[in-house]
Amino acid sequence: DQQVKQNSPSLSVQEGRISILNCDYTNSMFDYFLWYKKYPAEGPTFLISISSIKDKNEDGRFTVFLNKSAKHLSLHIVPSQPGDSAVYFCAARGWGSNYKLTFGKGTLLTVNP
Amino acid sequence: NAGVTQTPKFQVLKTGQSMTLQCAQDMNHNSMYWYRQDPGMGLRLIYYSASEGTTDKGEVPNGYNVSRLNKREFSLRLESAAPSQTSVYFCASRVLAGTNTGELFFGEGSRLTVL
Repeated sequence: DQQVKQNSPSLSVQEGRISILNCDYTNSMFDYFLWYKKYPAEGPTFLISISSIKDKNEDGRFTVFLNKSAKHLSLHIVPSQPGDSAVYFCAARGWGSNYKLTFGKGTLLTVNP
Repeated sequence: NAGVTQTPKFQVLKTGQSMTLQCAQDMNHNSMYWYRQDPGMGLRLIYYSASEGTTDKGEVPNGYNVSRLNKREFSLRLESAAPSQTSVYFCASRVLAGTNTGELFFGEGSRLTVL
């Protein structure tokens, strides 16, 4: 039973435009959500996170939105750059779970020059 | 500043062979984790160690054992490798106290092929 779902395996956008990556979750006990970015042959790196008590968190070109009622979060990248091309993983932490993270399957973002 | 270091980076095994993946972190983190990444499956937790001296099963522990050797090192052992264990393995660590973001720091990965 997949608790964190990224239903789009891939996304292609033009440089300078907005990239929107989506993530849905089923477990209402998740209290923290994170996005990781992964380049080929490298480990995932932390990008941005949001607590379940907030609905928006912004860091430069990256903004994460959380809609708790819909159990949905999204990552917005504006403007998109070719260097943003990578696999993006959505992850969620269960309350009291020893900080274990549950990851989605990932979305491959390609930003075309 | 090395962060999380995994060895080896690549390994080919025959079915039934055993091997140990090594992981070390130099960030004085309390918790360490082993994940595997398979095509179309994302990252799945194998085992974790919340603190030195403790280990717990994750989502997919079958066929694996772990050892938290000390605060820095967390190894993953395959006693009798199977083709289904062909994967990319990632070790990760995090600080337990003083933060609640859940942010993990990952190594570069170890690509294992079992023939």
